[in-house]
Amino acid sequence: TQLLEQSPQFLSIQEGENLTVYCNSSSVFSSLQWYRQEPGEGPVLLVTVVTGGEVKKLKRLTFQFGDARKDSSLHITAAQPGDTGLYLCAGARSTGGFKTIFGAGTRLFVKA
Amino acid sequence: SAVISQKPSRDICQRGTSLTIQCQVDSQVTMMFWYRQQPGQSLTLIATANQGSEATYESGFVIDKFPISRPNLTFSTLTVSNMSPEDSSIYLCSVEGGLAGVTDTQYFGPGTRLTVL
Repeated sequence: TQLLEQSPQFLSIQEGENLTVYCNSSSVFSSLQWYRQEPGEGPVLLVTVVTGGEVKKLKRLTFQFGDARKDSSLHITAAQPGDTGLYLCAGARSTGGFKTIFGAGTRLFVKA
Repeated sequence: SAVISQKPSRDICQRGTSLTIQCQVDSQVTMMFWYRQQPGQSLTLIATANQGSEATYESGFVIDKFPISRPNLTFSTLTVSNMSPEDSSIYLCSVEGGLAGVTDTQYFGPGTRLTVL
C-alpha cells in the first residue's frame, strides 16, 4: 500500500512566522501536487512538481521535490492570516494505471 | 485548467433516501474522479469514471451504494444510495488535466456538502 505521510497535521502560528510542511513516501512519484482548500470549497491546485530536485516559488510559497521524487516540502515565508487553510499534498503515479495518493493534510491557522 | 461545477452545493437528507450529485466540466475530459472527504479528513477516492465504460471502484466502495454515470465527456453523476449518517461528507469530483506532457494533475469541483440525519 502506498502511503504519503504529511506533517505536521495541525499548525497554529503568528502572522509573520515561517513554516514548512513535509510530505514523505517510500514510493517514487511521477509528479507531486500541492493543494490548498478553504472551508466549503474544493481543493485548489497551487503547484505541480515533476523533476527530482525541482524548486518552484509562488510568491511567499516555496515548493521542493526531493531528488528521488519520494518527498516534497512546502515552505511559507512570513505567513499571513490569508494563508489559513488545509494544505494537501498528492503524489501521482502513471505506471500501472493512473493513481493519485493524497496526504492526510496540514491544517494551518495563522493568527493576526 | 478546466472549470468544474457541482450540483447541489449542499443538501440535508433523511436516512434511507438517495441523493444524486452532478458534475459538469467545461471541456471534454477522458477521466473523471469522485472523492469523499469526511469531516476534518483528507480525500478518499471512491471511483474513476471513464466515458463508455463502467466506473472502477476503490476498495471499500461498491456500485450498489455509489452508482456512477458517465454519459459523455463533460458530465458525470454520483448517487449516494440508502444513506446513513455515516455518509455525511463532502463529495468532490475532479478531472485529470494539466501541464503539457504531465497529465496526472487533478482539478477539483467546489464539492457537495451532504448531511444525513
